[in-house]
Amino acid sequence: DTGVSQNPRHKITKRGQNVTFRCDPISEHNRLYWYRQTLGQGPEFLTYFQNEAQLEKSRLLSDRFSAERPKGSFSTLEIQRTEQGDSAMYLCASSVSGGFLETQYFGPGTRLLVL
Amino acid sequence: AQTVTQSQPEMSVQEAETVTLSCTYDTSESDYYLFWYKQPPSRQMILVIRQEAYKQQNATENRFSVNFQKAAKSFSLKISDSQLGDAAMYFCAYRRGGGGSQGNLIFGKGTKLSVKP
Repeated sequence: DTGVSQNPRHKITKRGQNVTFRCDPISEHNRLYWYRQTLGQGPEFLTYFQNEAQLEKSRLLSDRFSAERPKGSFSTLEIQRTEQGDSAMYLCASSVSGGFLETQYFGPGTRLLVL
Repeated sequence: AQTVTQSQPEMSVQEAETVTLSCTYDTSESDYYLFWYKQPPSRQMILVIRQEAYKQQNATENRFSVNFQKAAKSFSLKISDSQLGDAAMYFCAYRRGGGGSQGNLIFGKGTKLSVKP
C-alpha cells in the first residue's frame, strides 16, 4: 500500500493556461475526493466520485474546472483558463465507503501557482 | 449549511504537557460524524480521532481524546503528554451521516500547534 499519490507536486503556470492534475488513490478505494486548500484555510470540498461516477460537485467548482475518474481508478482535475485566484493546494483523498468507519486518506497535494 | 469554527489560530504547549484545541460546529442534522485531522508541515493530512454524534462516550486514541458536547455543538481535542512530533496544523471536520451520504468533509480553518522542548 503506497498511499494516495498526486502529480505533479508543484505547478507554476501563467494566467490563461490550462493545467491538469492527477490523483492515484489507494487501490480498492471506491471513493475519491478533491479538495482545495488556500493559505490559512482548511480544505474545501470540490467534488467526489464513487467508482467512475461523479456524484457531487461544489458550487466552488466553476465551469472552468472539470474532473474525471475513468474506470474508477485514477482521477484527473483540469482547470481551464487559469486565474490567479486558482492558486492553492489541491488535495485528493480516497476512501472505502462505509459510514462512520469511512476514513479519507489524503495525498500530499499539488501546489498550484498562477502568475 | 453546516459550518465548523476553530477559534484558536495558534496554540503552544510545553513538551510533556497537555493542551486542548477548541472546535464548534453548526448543523441542523442529528446524524453526523466529527473528526480531528493533523497536517504536519509539508506532509499529508492524517486522521487523529473520530466521533459519532449518536455516541455519548468521548472517543480516545492513546494520548488523544475528545470532549464532545452535543447540545453545545462543541468538539474539543485534548492532547496529553505532548511530543515534539505533535507539532502540526490541526483541523476539525464534520461529515454528514446517514445512508448514502456523499461523505465530503467540512473543515474548520485549523489551529497551528507548536510544541516547545
